[in-house]
Amino acid sequence: EVQLVESGGGLVQPGGSLRLSCAASGFTFSSYWMHWVRQAPGKGLVWVSRINSDGSRINYADSVKGRFTISRDNAKNTLYLQMNSLRAEDTAVYYCARVGEVVPANDRYFDLWGRGTLVTVSS
Amino acid sequence: DIVMTQSPDSLAVSLGERATINCKSSQSVLYSSNNKNYLAWYQQKPGQPPKLLIYWASTRESGVPDRFSGSGSGTDFTLTISSLQAEDVAVYYCQHYYTAPYSFGQGTKLEIK
Repeated sequence: EVQLVESGGGLVQPGGSLRLSCAASGFTFSSYWMHWVRQAPGKGLVWVSRINSDGSRINYADSVKGRFTISRDNAKNTLYLQMNSLRAEDTAVYYCARVGEVVPANDRYFDLWGRGTLVTVSS
Repeated sequence: DIVMTQSPDSLAVSLGERATINCKSSQSVLYSSNNKNYLAWYQQKPGQPPKLLIYWASTRESGVPDRFSGSGSGTDFTLTISSLQAEDVAVYYCQHYYTAPYSFGQGTKLEIK
């Protein structure tokens, strides 16, 4: 089955760190750009970061730049998001998403989403 | 950065009637080299991740009912549901993927009248 499964969310204090994982299965993970998108409770979707197929090209939203690091391990079919210096406003469900076309396509829509993992930043 | 603005924020439509959601980008998302609009529409139901409905502004994703259609070009886009069904109650988002940072519209909540 083609799917993405996020994990690693939880409750963390302000200033703390957390690493999210996104396990991919059912497709050739190494052929796709991957993204992280978040959604605060009751709010809309916000793009967070993206990484190309071999990890050499990365972009971040200004709101997380310098605090979050996206990475991937193609041997393990897993996408990561290392989140440091967490703030209350980072509280959200974090989704990983796959782009709709294989490389060399870069700017593409998201055709596969995980179910998300909830990150709560609170003291 | 490109800002996406949807209208209306919420919409109530009777079953079987047409629903129309608009999306405007702060700059064109039409890529001149391939004449494609880098615009997608997603549907999100409560407790679920977003689901891709439309990409390239008007291409329906496989498996999406043909009552869903997308139109527009440049900066102005529309998602139309031709005959509203009960299962279409959801929040709908437009998104540009022209260049990073990508952005979504604020969402339009669609309900049954």
